[in-house]
Amino acid sequence: GAGVSQTPSNKVTEKGKYVELRCDPISGHTALYWYRQSLGQGPEFLIYFQGTGAADDSGLPNDRFFAVRPEGSVSTLKIQRTERGDSAVYLCASSSQGGGNTEAFFGQGTRLTVV
Amino acid sequence: AQSVTQLDSHVSVSEGTPVLLRCNYSSSYSPSLFWYVQHPNKGLQLLLKYTSAATLVKGINGFEAEFKKSETSFHLTKPSAHMSDAAEYFCVVSPWSQNFVFGPGTRLSVLP
Repeated sequence: GAGVSQTPSNKVTEKGKYVELRCDPISGHTALYWYRQSLGQGPEFLIYFQGTGAADDSGLPNDRFFAVRPEGSVSTLKIQRTERGDSAVYLCASSSQGGGNTEAFFGQGTRLTVV
Repeated sequence: AQSVTQLDSHVSVSEGTPVLLRCNYSSSYSPSLFWYVQHPNKGLQLLLKYTSAATLVKGINGFEAEFKKSETSFHLTKPSAHMSDAAEYFCVVSPWSQNFVFGPGTRLSVLP
């Protein structure tokens, strides 16, 4: 596709439920990032993939959060036992290589609301 | 460790007047620096990037930024604000082969 695609665009779930958020990066981009943006704040880093492996998962807030990228393309962010504090916009980005000279291209985000 | 400080959470200018959005960074390595813009209900869009070439970087929509290593700054400027510039602006630092670290953002308002 032309850009980074995230689905769904909106997700409302009940507290305690499990959710999956999907990211389709730009074709050929090896690096993929997940960020979380709360209202009025800058994006907060969650995890960074280089190919299939998580190069840096230091931003994941706790073990309820997990992400995979099994074939080095599409990634899924998984949140177990959701809490109201997980409500935010989850952003995915991809770049042709990790960090450094190449910019990251961002998707439109998934707005997660936990009620 | 890397961090970004955006000195103003909100800047308000009149249409046609200059814009200055301030950014200071901290990095253990020589980083790449970026400015992204986020319009309401829109995705993040790259304005410009610095990657150790020219210290004065020109971006889209008339924006530019100057890298000053001695001051660890990367301030964003535009000579004449337009109503369409009203948005949230993020300064971002990225060391080689690592993730992108965002500043808290500066909301730019443009008054008619």
